[in-house]
Amino acid sequence: GENVEQHPSTLSVQEGDSAVIKCTYSDSASNYFPWYKQELGKRPQLIIDIRSNVGEKKDQRIAVTLNKTAKHFSLHITETQPEDSAVYFCAARGGATNKLIFGTGTLLAVQP
Amino acid sequence: EAQVTQNPRYLITVTGKKLTVTCSQNMNHEYMSWYRQDPGLGLRQIYYSMNVEVTDKGDVPEGYKVSRKEKRNFPLILESPSPNQTSLYFCASSPTRGNQPQHFGDGTRLSIL
Repeated sequence: GENVEQHPSTLSVQEGDSAVIKCTYSDSASNYFPWYKQELGKRPQLIIDIRSNVGEKKDQRIAVTLNKTAKHFSLHITETQPEDSAVYFCAARGGATNKLIFGTGTLLAVQP
Repeated sequence: EAQVTQNPRYLITVTGKKLTVTCSQNMNHEYMSWYRQDPGLGLRQIYYSMNVEVTDKGDVPEGYKVSRKEKRNFPLILESPSPNQTSLYFCASSPTRGNQPQHFGDGTRLSIL
């Protein structure tokens, strides 16, 4: 069945360093790839998304890259800050059902 | 304000006592979905609905029911709750057309004793 693998499960970086989270999806028909940030006790919130006709998208310190051939997409956070500490989820959607398949999440800890 | 509202936010109950978690959205979205979140397993879809009177199973539907009689509401029903349904539940909605992000409710933490 459809599957999204996410790595690493935990990531610790020093403030100011970059963080990269990687996801791989199995359904070649997937055409939409959002990233969600979930702070402790809060709901997931969209931080950036990319559609299959685009290879890269940036929004200030956050960027997402997509390699459709490899079925791989990544989240890049530059100049990390303590408030970036959270769980990040990737997801992939394809087909006619609008069904989002989520990765298992990455706990990012930014050390001051 | 555009939002997805879930109630209750927290519930502790006992095995076998039927319960309903309500979800309502004010964005006129066609698509609504329920997820459960468990440590190390991410967000797993329980049921989803593409529009009024159209519902379908997600990845973990066992022990749950849903209904979609109106566009704005999508309640999750646990007819006979069991301890393995203790979890954090999220409702989400989005437009059907185009690749649009899902908006999540604030979550419902259920404890089944």
